[in-house]
Amino acid sequence: ETGVTQTPRHLVMGMTNKKSLKCEQHLGHNAMYWYKQSAKKPLELMFVYSLEERVENNSVPSRFSPECPNSSHLFLHLHTLQPEDSALYLCASSQAPGDSEQYFGPGTRLTVT
Amino acid sequence: AQKITQTQPGMFVQEKEAVTLDCTYDTSDPSYGLFWYKQPSSGEMIFLIYQGSYDQQNATEGRYSLNFQKARKSANLVISASQLGDSAMYFCAIDTGGFKTIFGAGTRLFVKA
Repeated sequence: ETGVTQTPRHLVMGMTNKKSLKCEQHLGHNAMYWYKQSAKKPLELMFVYSLEERVENNSVPSRFSPECPNSSHLFLHLHTLQPEDSALYLCASSQAPGDSEQYFGPGTRLTVT
Repeated sequence: AQKITQTQPGMFVQEKEAVTLDCTYDTSDPSYGLFWYKQPSSGEMIFLIYQGSYDQQNATEGRYSLNFQKARKSANLVISASQLGDSAMYFCAIDTGGFKTIFGAGTRLFVKA
């Protein structure tokens, strides 16, 4: 595997479910990011991790809980989501925190029913 | 606060012709970076080109060039010799450091054979 991978690629969940999105980067980068892409809206930065430490949280509801166990893996734990949380969730990584050149994964298409 | 505006929701171009995708930005920071990403239907965001606010020359990467007009606060992407594979969403973004990357709403490009 190369680059940034995300699993699952598609996820359908009910509002009472608990699920997790996984991201893995094989680039040796030190920073990882979660973005949300909703229809007809600009890409929104959700979380930033630098060397496994969270450095940015853009006022994301607590029903989204990130976890970064090491510099190569990033999770987004989901619980009691709302239908408006349906979106494409993109993971990205960069060499150093704050680098403009980020490498993105293919995304997870989430549908909340 | 930083802001990115992409006023063209959709653009059509004939194969082998050049196309310009518009992007204007707003920031009070003297140091910033502007970049463009391509998002094919697969969902993955692909980094295309970067322009620093202090760069004297316009950035170029293969068939991509960035028409940077600092006084007008515009950073248009020019794609020369369009190919069918260029059909995708294109996002302009600004980064002023501190993990604050702001994306525009995107422009969908359709390349006609």
